[in-house]
Amino acid sequence: AQTVTQSQPEMSVQEAETVTLSCTYDTSESDYYLFWYKQPPSRQMILVIRQEAYKQQNATENRFSVNFQKAAKSFSLKISDSQLGDAAMYFCAYLIPNDKVIFGPGTSLSVIP
Amino acid sequence: NAGVTQTPKFRVLKTGQSMTLLCAQDMNHEYMYWYRQDPGMGLRLIHYSVGEGTTAKGEVPDGYNVSRLKKQNFLLGLESAAPSQTSVYFCASRLRQGDLSGANVLTFGAGSRLTVL
Repeated sequence: AQTVTQSQPEMSVQEAETVTLSCTYDTSESDYYLFWYKQPPSRQMILVIRQEAYKQQNATENRFSVNFQKAAKSFSLKISDSQLGDAAMYFCAYLIPNDKVIFGPGTSLSVIP
Repeated sequence: NAGVTQTPKFRVLKTGQSMTLLCAQDMNHEYMYWYRQDPGMGLRLIHYSVGEGTTAKGEVPDGYNVSRLKKQNFLLGLESAAPSQTSVYFCASRLRQGDLSGANVLTFGAGSRLTVL
């Protein structure tokens, strides 16, 4: 069965600093997609960034970037120049083509002013 | 466009009662999902559908049933509610996989908080 693991239940970062959130997954598939979603206190799920497994280049979206290590089945999220609005739950997710989307347990990120 | 709409947003049930959560999307998405969110456990997949008239079990399907009679609607039913089903439920949808921008990105509803006493 496919699983997604986030080993850091809670993280904190000073405002303007950089933080990295970890995610590992287990799969036997060769074609899949990976995502990071953010859930602020409003409870709304917001896409942060996505990565296609067949692309070796790491995805970036402004201050957010990933380190995708396919062989190690690792997909970490780096947030640069952290802002107070980045405080939220962050979920790593794995998508199987034409099938299900599995989420990790989440990491709660606090940003310290 | 309204996106994904969940009804109701809040509900309190007594043990043994039944209810249905409705998820409606107006984006012509093929795939629809029901998740439950509990503290420390992230989002766990209950059931999902890859198209009208089809459903499949997810990670935690016991105690729930679903139906997808129309492409735009995905219903989640609790036949006999239990306190263990107290949770926040999220519906999500997405386009069929492809190269279209955003084809694999989930669009979420705002969530439905269910309390079973």
